[in-house]
Amino acid sequence: SQQGEEDPQALSIQEGENATMNCSYKTSINNLQWYRQNSGRGLVHLILIRSNEREKHSGRLRVTLDTSKKSSSLLITASRAADTASYFCATDAYSNYGQNFVFGPGTRLSVLP
Amino acid sequence: DTAVSQTPKYLVTQMGNDKSIKCEQNLGHDTMYWYKQDSKKFLKIMFSYNNKELIINETVPNRFSPKSPDKAHLNLHINSLELGDSAVYFCASTVAGYTDTQYFGPGTRLTVL
Repeated sequence: SQQGEEDPQALSIQEGENATMNCSYKTSINNLQWYRQNSGRGLVHLILIRSNEREKHSGRLRVTLDTSKKSSSLLITASRAADTASYFCATDAYSNYGQNFVFGPGTRLSVLP
Repeated sequence: DTAVSQTPKYLVTQMGNDKSIKCEQNLGHDTMYWYKQDSKKFLKIMFSYNNKELIINETVPNRFSPKSPDKAHLNLHINSLELGDSAVYFCASTVAGYTDTQYFGPGTRLTVL
């Protein structure tokens, strides 16, 4: 699997429900970030969690990080149609090309009205 | 004011042509990046550049070259365009390095015919 791999690949829920997306990674990290991409647009930063943090909140977003399992989750509570987008996790990682910034393949979230 | 801007938004061109995509950031950031997002939404870093160092992802063909006239601009030149170059290209910037929040431009959709 890739560094920063999201699960599930696609998620469809009703408005008002909670949406949970997971991200797994392979190497040690300094931080993990979540981004949102609306269709046809650039990525927008949502939240950054550092390797020494376990949980972070921002509005309706809750991110957890488990460095022992090399995984993170993004929870969106009380989802809205406007939350429909692709969500990417990204980690800083060392690769053959030096320190790098690696995005997972994303989770496509559809919130149905 | 737009923080990270790219031009053009759409670029349609013939195979074999040479084209450039421009990127400008008005955030005063030190480091800029180019990413390629393919049709499956995988986002892959191509280059990172600050006034001291250019880091190239070695999987990027040497037909691609970044040019930075000043700290606020990082343009992408592509020579001898191929069908496989069709993708959306994103410019991004950070205050310093990979551990910082990335600010993305809106993307340039390149279509090679």
